[in-house]
Amino acid sequence: KNQVEQSPQSLIILEGKNCTLQCNYTVSPFSNLRWYKQDTGRGPVSLTIMTFSENTKSNGRYTATLDADTKQSSLHITASQLSDSASYICVVSVSGGSNYKLTFGKGTLLTVNP
Amino acid sequence: SQTIHQWPATLVQPVGSPLSLECTVEGTSNPNLYWYRQAAGRGLQLLFYSVGIGQISSEVPQNLSASRPQDRQFILSSKKLLLSDSGFYLCAWSPSLRGGRVAQYFGPGTRLLVL
Repeated sequence: KNQVEQSPQSLIILEGKNCTLQCNYTVSPFSNLRWYKQDTGRGPVSLTIMTFSENTKSNGRYTATLDADTKQSSLHITASQLSDSASYICVVSVSGGSNYKLTFGKGTLLTVNP
Repeated sequence: SQTIHQWPATLVQPVGSPLSLECTVEGTSNPNLYWYRQAAGRGLQLLFYSVGIGQISSEVPQNLSASRPQDRQFILSSKKLLLSDSGFYLCAWSPSLRGGRVAQYFGPGTRLLVL
């Protein structure tokens, strides 16, 4: 069964600090992995997309890494800001040409305090 | 640029009442369209997807239905709501390209509370 597990479930950090969110998946055959940011009460917004050949992808203060061998990904947030408070969702796509067969993690709820 | 709209933003409905949520996309043609539900503490669950007008695929059996009367319009409906239908409903679109690298773009969502 295709699954995406994220950890921790929630995280509280102080403004300006760095943090790393984890994602483990058992999706096969793997196509790509995406990280989304979802503000409370809003739709998710794509941060990064990585295929199995990409080890790292950056988007501003967000850096995602992917280890296709161990089926793990991480999202590193540098110099956190209050606006980073949101749920971060890891999404994995199955290979085979379909863009609609996605497996979603439950997300990590990040709270950045002043 | 492309934009996706959903309405209403919030809805409170009694059990047994009908439901109609609407989603429209602007700035693109022949998009793939999706309806998701997000329950508290759970990941997004794909309910329906559509690759064209009148083409609807259902992922989860339930009392909900979807329709695509126009290229960029996607409607989620129910004849009789259940308490378990409460949740956050998200519409999404993606370009009609095969291959998983294409991102899905989500709308602002509709918060549905069934009492």
